[in-house]
Amino acid sequence: AQSVTQPDIHITVSEGASLELRCNYSYGATPYLFWYVQSPGQGLQLLLKYFSGDTLVQGIKGFEAEFKRSQSSFNLRKPSVHWSDAAEYFCGDSSYKLIFGSGTRLLVRP
Amino acid sequence: DAGVTQSPTHLIKTRGQHVTLRCSPISGHKSVSWYQQVLGQGPQFIFQYYEKEERGRGNFPDRFSARQFPNYSSELNVNALLLGDSALYLCASSYQGHTEAFFGQGTRLTVV
Repeated sequence: AQSVTQPDIHITVSEGASLELRCNYSYGATPYLFWYVQSPGQGLQLLLKYFSGDTLVQGIKGFEAEFKRSQSSFNLRKPSVHWSDAAEYFCGDSSYKLIFGSGTRLLVRP
Repeated sequence: DAGVTQSPTHLIKTRGQHVTLRCSPISGHKSVSWYQQVLGQGPQFIFQYYEKEERGRGNFPDRFSARQFPNYSSELNVNALLLGDSALYLCASSYQGHTEAFFGQGTRLTVV
């Protein structure tokens, strides 16, 4: 069955430190993968997407993600976190229908 | 270009009542999906419509229904509201099913 797993419920990093948020998908030979960010009470904003081609994709706000088929993973990274990055992050897969993981809440220490 | 617009933004209903939520997709987008997001959880897929036909349904009871109109706008209807239906309801539009989806700000439904 189609599923997306985000194993980390909360992550806390210091401002300026690097960040990696984990995501694993379970469906389809050709995944269509996304990362979205959500601020409290708001809708979801698309950060980046992967459909095919280069497995390292660049997104907005300095984020990037790497697709690894052998690990069924699509982890989100940022080299230097800013306080404004504190939010909830959702990984999504639309291979069949667009579904999301349970999210990772990012907290940023000053 | 206007983004995805949802109305109303907030709504309070009583148990047993019916509610209709509305969504206007981005111009040119033909697919609309609906999601329920309970506080502290990820969005749960309810329905997807493409070209006015239902293309997918999540694990929700028959009290939930939706439709898409010729102008590609959509309505989500929920009958016999329960306290557990209190959530943020999100609408997303995309050009086609697999392409990236753009979300509205959501409708916050509170059932009392």
